[in-house]
Amino acid sequence: QVQLQESGPGLVKPSETLSLTCTVSGGSISSSYWSWIRQPPGKGLEWIGYIYETGSTNYHPSLKSRVTISVDTSKNQFSLKLTSVTTADTAVYLCARVREGSTYFDFWGQGTLVTVSS
Amino acid sequence: SYVLTQPPSVSVAPGKTASITCGGNNIGSKTVHWFQQKPGQAPVLVIYYDRDRPSGIPERFSGSNSGNTATLTISRVEAGDEADYYCQVWDSSSDHYVFGTGTKVTVL
Repeated sequence: QVQLQESGPGLVKPSETLSLTCTVSGGSISSSYWSWIRQPPGKGLEWIGYIYETGSTNYHPSLKSRVTISVDTSKNQFSLKLTSVTTADTAVYLCARVREGSTYFDFWGQGTLVTVSS
Repeated sequence: SYVLTQPPSVSVAPGKTASITCGGNNIGSKTVHWFQQKPGQAPVLVIYYDRDRPSGIPERFSGSNSGNTATLTISRVEAGDEADYYCQVWDSSSDHYVFGTGTKVTVL
């Protein structure tokens, strides 16, 4: 059973960079698409972007200028960096896997709350 | 970018049927997936490929998709079905994943 676990600071100052890592266990990070998704408090889900094992990425158009997703296959991890954060970036950040050969998310992390505040 | 619109809330009495719509431009040409999310928990897949149920999901959950609307139907609603529900598609033209705006289902 594949498991995902997010990790990183829970508090980030405005204008700084949010950095999170998702560690995948119980399976290889190869041959799948891996995504970051976020959910502001009391609001809906927003897809941030994905990365494939080859390093190929795609991002939500509204975040594209500030987002970088990278992968470390040797550690079975992928990471998110979001620059120049504001209070609007306060959210629970979740990592998830796109089922191989499909278009839906089959495994999710539990999510980690990141608060942007001075 | 592609937009999916859901009603903010649906209320239903126990034992009755809840229908949650997901509207999008020609959504019938895409495959729709549905997630259930309870407070403080990660989303759980309840329907994939418009109408298929993952193992462990009750037959009470069903889906359909045609024209500009996809629908998640929950029959014989139980108190444990109270949750937020999200539709999701992959937009092939942009290679982006899109979530619906979400619907809160309240069991009266």
